[in-house]
Amino acid sequence: ETGVTQTPRHLVMGMTNKKSLKCEQHLGHNAMYWYKQSAKKPLELMFVYSLEERVENNSVPSRFSPECPNSSHLFLHLHTLQPEDSALYLCASSQEVYLNTEAFFGQGTRLTVV
Amino acid sequence: KQEVTQIPAALSVPEGENLVLNCSFTDSAIYNLQWFRQDPGKGLTSLLLIQSSQREQTSGRLNASLDKSSGRSTLYIAASQPGDSATYLCAVSHYTGNQFYFGTGTSLTVIP
Repeated sequence: ETGVTQTPRHLVMGMTNKKSLKCEQHLGHNAMYWYKQSAKKPLELMFVYSLEERVENNSVPSRFSPECPNSSHLFLHLHTLQPEDSALYLCASSQEVYLNTEAFFGQGTRLTVV
Repeated sequence: KQEVTQIPAALSVPEGENLVLNCSFTDSAIYNLQWFRQDPGKGLTSLLLIQSSQREQTSGRLNASLDKSSGRSTLYIAASQPGDSATYLCAVSHYTGNQFYFGTGTSLTVIP
């Protein structure tokens, strides 16, 4: 079992659809993150959760809605997305958020908005 | 705001060469620096983590150094192999705040 697992690996959705990305970590970590990776740009932090509490929301549009039901699971709910939201969405976890310990990433979800 | 730069953006070398990838950051008050590898369309794989109090870390053919005062890190890859072809990313974190700041990466191609 890999440390951080993301599903689905690929997703194509229309602008009026609603879909969710799922992330699960098996490392016993307390912090989980959503990052967006677009071509030619650095990874952009979207959300940070520490023990199921959101501690960071980096000015992300409301069409992205995170959910962290427990410290092992993280979701990103998507609705009425735009074509420019097409990107690789990466989930990560670390032992603690405030100590910024080593980060472990999932394989990502390649999202295409049509 | 922390800015992380990686030069070169792309690098192509013949198999067997030793090579150095560079990472620089504008705010030297970092907590740690991490090097990652990313294969096309895939997630990030952690390679090496250097705490701010350390000067280098080694793992197999990889050696990462950190010069915190000058805001630089290098990743040295010895005896490169085609399987090393990937994008290499560096990221830094601070004592306060909740995120890692990433560079745009160096795309490495090792030619057989």
